[in-house]
Amino acid sequence: EPEVTQTPSHQVTQMGQEVILRCVPISNHLYFYWYRQILGQKVEFLVSFYNNEISEKSEIFDDQFSVERPDGSNFTLKIRSTKLEDSAMYFCASRGTGTGYDNSPLHFGNGTRLTVT
Amino acid sequence: RKEVEQDPGPFNVPEGATVAFNCTYSNSASQSFFWYRQDCRKEPKLLMSVYSSGNEDGRFTAQLNRASQYISLLIRDSKLSDSATYLCVVPPRGSARQLTFGSGTQLTVLP
Repeated sequence: EPEVTQTPSHQVTQMGQEVILRCVPISNHLYFYWYRQILGQKVEFLVSFYNNEISEKSEIFDDQFSVERPDGSNFTLKIRSTKLEDSAMYFCASRGTGTGYDNSPLHFGNGTRLTVT
Repeated sequence: RKEVEQDPGPFNVPEGATVAFNCTYSNSASQSFFWYRQDCRKEPKLLMSVYSSGNEDGRFTAQLNRASQYISLLIRDSKLSDSATYLCVVPPRGSARQLTFGSGTQLTVLP
């Protein structure tokens, strides 16, 4: 069964550094997402991406965050200047093989645990 | 009403028990609903999709009540391996918009 893959599985970085989290969505999916989950808290939406542009973003997704799909397979989340409170599990997800109205569920990657020290 | 609201739990039940969780949603335009399970420090995994009034898969039954805007998940003959957090997910109409997660209901099945 096709799956979403994320790398690295764990990233440790110092406050103020830039990190790039990588994801390879399922190949024929059209909609891509980043979610995060702070330890012990709920899964929070960050951003959705469709047709090579951001379609929606949450208030968490401020100017320090950016997403790219540079080569048609990878989908990356960049955090420009990490803060301690960015420490969380970051999940990439993809869905949808059709256009227009779509009921398909999200398929998640295994996540990247980001630790900011 | 919050976009998606779930029973907070935790639910601690003995093996073999039947347990039910509820999830209420505010967006009456939503057409499809999902239950995910999440093990500690792992990604959410799709458990069931609910597109019409309900869905059954083995020991798991999901029901949808559009009039009252809630979905439920029933687990029969619960097993130790059912211990997890169960997340309700409600997408709005429109494919690319965010899918909203409930805060999750924690289930522990005790031997």
